[in-house]
Amino acid sequence: DTAVSQTPKYLVTQMGNDKSIKCEQNLGHDTMYWYKQDSKKFLKIMFSYNNKELIINETVPNRFSPKSPDKAHLNLHINSLELGDSAVYFCASSSIRAGYTFGSGTRLTVV
Amino acid sequence: GENVEQHPSTLSVQEGDSAVIKCTYSDSASNYFPWYKQELGKRPQLIIDIRSNVGEKKDQRIAVTLNKTAKHFSLHITETQPEDSAVYFCAGSHFNKFYFGSGTKLNVKP
Repeated sequence: DTAVSQTPKYLVTQMGNDKSIKCEQNLGHDTMYWYKQDSKKFLKIMFSYNNKELIINETVPNRFSPKSPDKAHLNLHINSLELGDSAVYFCASSSIRAGYTFGSGTRLTVV
Repeated sequence: GENVEQHPSTLSVQEGDSAVIKCTYSDSASNYFPWYKQELGKRPQLIIDIRSNVGEKKDQRIAVTLNKTAKHFSLHITETQPEDSAVYFCAGSHFNKFYFGSGTKLNVKP
């Protein structure tokens, strides 16, 4: 069983479109995150949810909206996609006693 | 907030040699320091971690040291092998908020 699974793995879309990425964890962790990894491989936190509550919202355009229907799921919706949004997006989860477990990533390409 | 700096950005070693990657952090409240290995096209995976009440931790060929006073921690890989080639990230954490270093691309030449 995959501990943190995110879909889709690849996403190619045109500028201006709206898209969603889904993430689910079966580890029983309380906290979930979205990270963006750009072409230089830098991992930057975007959002964090703890028990469905938003606890971290870094400087991210409001075109990005996370949604956590329950503590096992954290989805990311992106409106009006721009070329600069092209990156790999990683979902992750953690608990107090454990480090991060990352999902396999979603490679978003905006054309 | 926390600021984690990582050096070097690239590191090339000969197979069998040791590799050392260093990180510094700014927030003295950070108390958990994991290291992640990311192979090309794959997810970052935890390889070793250390908590602030410990100065050193070792797991086979990898070890991590922490100097709380100086606010720096290091990853040591001994007897490097080609499969150690990857990008390595350090992180500092407090209350489940992780800040990652900028990554070190390690190349182990056969």
